[in-house]
Amino acid sequence: DVKVTQSSRYLVKRTGEKVFLECVQDMDHENMFWYRQDPGLGLRLIYFSYDVKMKEKGDIPEGYSVSREKKERFSLILESASTNQTSMYLCVTTGNYGYTFGSGTRLTVV
Amino acid sequence: TQLLEQSPQFLSIQEGENLTVYCNSSSVFSSLQWYRQEPGEGPVLLVTVVTGGEVKKLKRLTFQFGDARKDSSLHITAAQPGDTGLYLCAGVPSGGGADGLTFGKGTHLIIQP
Repeated sequence: DVKVTQSSRYLVKRTGEKVFLECVQDMDHENMFWYRQDPGLGLRLIYFSYDVKMKEKGDIPEGYSVSREKKERFSLILESASTNQTSMYLCVTTGNYGYTFGSGTRLTVV
Repeated sequence: TQLLEQSPQFLSIQEGENLTVYCNSSSVFSSLQWYRQEPGEGPVLLVTVVTGGEVKKLKRLTFQFGDARKDSSLHITAAQPGDTGLYLCAGVPSGGGADGLTFGKGTHLIIQP
């Protein structure tokens, strides 16, 4: 089975902090995505990457950046966390086995 | 931007009843996926429908893709408390999905014993 591992299940950070959310997949997939999920808004695409060092903006990239230095790792960075970035963050990878989600990171910014 | 309208948003029914969840769009998708998500977990893929008019069954769950590949439905027969969860439909764009999926906002389903 494809495994997508997000480093933290729950995270609490202060406003203004720099936050790193890590995602690692073990199936050599090219495409990786970061979504956030909010009640009433559903899943919204923040950034995606289709190869090492490549990145593309999704629908809501403002306030975020990403890093893909190795194929298996896709990091989401909140440069200066704000309370409106409190959300559930989901990492997804896609390849021959279809789309596979990580378990999510629930981030609270206080 | 392609949009997927999912309905109903919330549904609470008694064990043993039947239900249908709808996913509609004005856009054509190359395929459509249904996911189930439990609290605190990521969505888990249930099924992918690819061909217009396709029907797939997964035990008591029946998934249908519209003839024009713009809509889909999920029908659950004799619902059980274990079916409780958030059901999401997601469309794969005609380009193949390398740019990500388009998600509906989800249906929160509660099956009461």
